[in-house]
Amino acid sequence: DTGVSQDPRHKITKRGQNVTFRCDPISEHNRLYWYRQTLGQGPEFLTYFQNEAQLEKSRLLSDRFSAERPKGSFSTLEIQRTEQGDSAMYLCASTFLGAGGYTFGSGTRLTVV
Amino acid sequence: DQQVKQNSPSLSVQEGRISILNCDYTNSMFDYFLWYKKYPAEGPTFLISISSIKDKNEDGRFTVFLNKSAKHLSLHIVPSQPGDSAVYFCAARNRDDKIIFGKGTRLHILP
Repeated sequence: DTGVSQDPRHKITKRGQNVTFRCDPISEHNRLYWYRQTLGQGPEFLTYFQNEAQLEKSRLLSDRFSAERPKGSFSTLEIQRTEQGDSAMYLCASTFLGAGGYTFGSGTRLTVV
Repeated sequence: DQQVKQNSPSLSVQEGRISILNCDYTNSMFDYFLWYKKYPAEGPTFLISISSIKDKNEDGRFTVFLNKSAKHLSLHIVPSQPGDSAVYFCAARNRDDKIIFGKGTRLHILP
């Protein structure tokens, strides 16, 4: 297991288009988190899953955002009708419940033009 | 409402000297504190952590100090090396296992 994998690494899209990102967590980890990082800011929590259940969604996650984790394995984050303000690094992380920290993936950098 | 604050956006330190990165928090319910290191175009990498019941944790060149009464923690790196140049995020875990990050401090190690 090589860690948390995110795909794609970079995505450039036109405003109004839909995009989908994928995250493959460390296989034994039961928790999966999505964060967003913009320039000059730390990672901001978006949502998280315990197995296949989505337990919390941040108010940052507008109705245009949806995340899934079917069968408690990989997760997808979809953004519909992208806006320029959605441009950011989207980070996925996974962990055991009760473990210390998270293991992050390398992120997907989204640029909306 | 920023619960984890890193008030220094950047810090420059001479190679071989000690780097001290500071962090303040407001939520007394945090039970675990962490430092992450981030290089450009990569995800954050876990560096070191400390439980709220301890006041010091050391791992090689890295030591984290926690002052609960002041709601303050710091990361000491000694001696500083060129590869330490990166952005460092202070983070805190709340009781439902969610980690909240500060805005980061960019550390420059000068030759």
